[in-house]
Amino acid sequence: AQTVTQSQPEMSVQEAETVTLSCTYDTSESDYYLFWYKQPPSRQMILVIRQEAYKQQNATENRFSVNFQKAAKSFSLKISDSQLGDAAMYFCAYRSADSGYALNFGKGTSLLVTP
Amino acid sequence: GAGVSQTPSNKVTEKGKYVELRCDPISGHTALYWYRQSLGQGPEFLIYFQGTGAADDSGLPNDRFFAVRPEGSVSTLKIQRTERGDSAVYLCASSLAGSIHEQYFGPGTRLTVT
Repeated sequence: AQTVTQSQPEMSVQEAETVTLSCTYDTSESDYYLFWYKQPPSRQMILVIRQEAYKQQNATENRFSVNFQKAAKSFSLKISDSQLGDAAMYFCAYRSADSGYALNFGKGTSLLVTP
Repeated sequence: GAGVSQTPSNKVTEKGKYVELRCDPISGHTALYWYRQSLGQGPEFLIYFQGTGAADDSGLPNDRFFAVRPEGSVSTLKIQRTERGDSAVYLCASSLAGSIHEQYFGPGTRLTVT
C-alpha cells in the first residue's frame, strides 16, 4: 500500500512571506497523481493543486506551486505571498492512476499565518 | 451549482445505537467515496461506489459498517452498534468516473459516540 508522510505537524509563516510544506510518499507504481488539499475549520476539503506523475513540469496555481521530485518521491508545496486566509490544515494525498480512485492522505500540516 | 452535501452536520449518539449518515453528491457524478477522519489524522478511505454498486469496500473497518447507494445518487453510511472509537468526521466525496477526475468533498458529519 502507498504511504504518504508529512513530517511537519505545524508550520508558521508571516503574512506576505513564503512557506514550504513537505511531503514524501512511498510507491512502486509509475503512474499516479499527487494532490495538496486545504482543510479550514469548516472541515471542507478544498483542492489546492494537483500533479500528474508523468509530467516533469511542476504544477502551479497562482500563489501555490509544487516541487515534484519523482525519483526522491517528494512533493512539497510552496505558498508565496502568504495571506491570513491560507491558515488551515494542509494534506498531501496520493492516488493511483491504474487502480486508483481512493485518495491516500498524510496526517496533515497545520499552517498558521501571523500578521 | 450545488456541491456535495452531507446530513446531519453533527450527530451525537450513545454507545450501542445505530446511526445513518447521508451524502448527496454533485449531480451527474457517478463516483462516490466515503472517508473517515479521526482527530489529528488525515482522511482514511472507507468505500467507493461507481453507480449503484460498491466497487471497493476494502476500507470498511468491520461488519458494523455498511453503505448503500440504491439509485446511484444519494448514499447512506450505516453504522450498527456504535462504539466510542467510531467517533470521527465522516467525509463524502464525489467525482466523474475515472481516476483523472477531481474528487469534490462535502463538509462532513461529525459523529460523537458517548
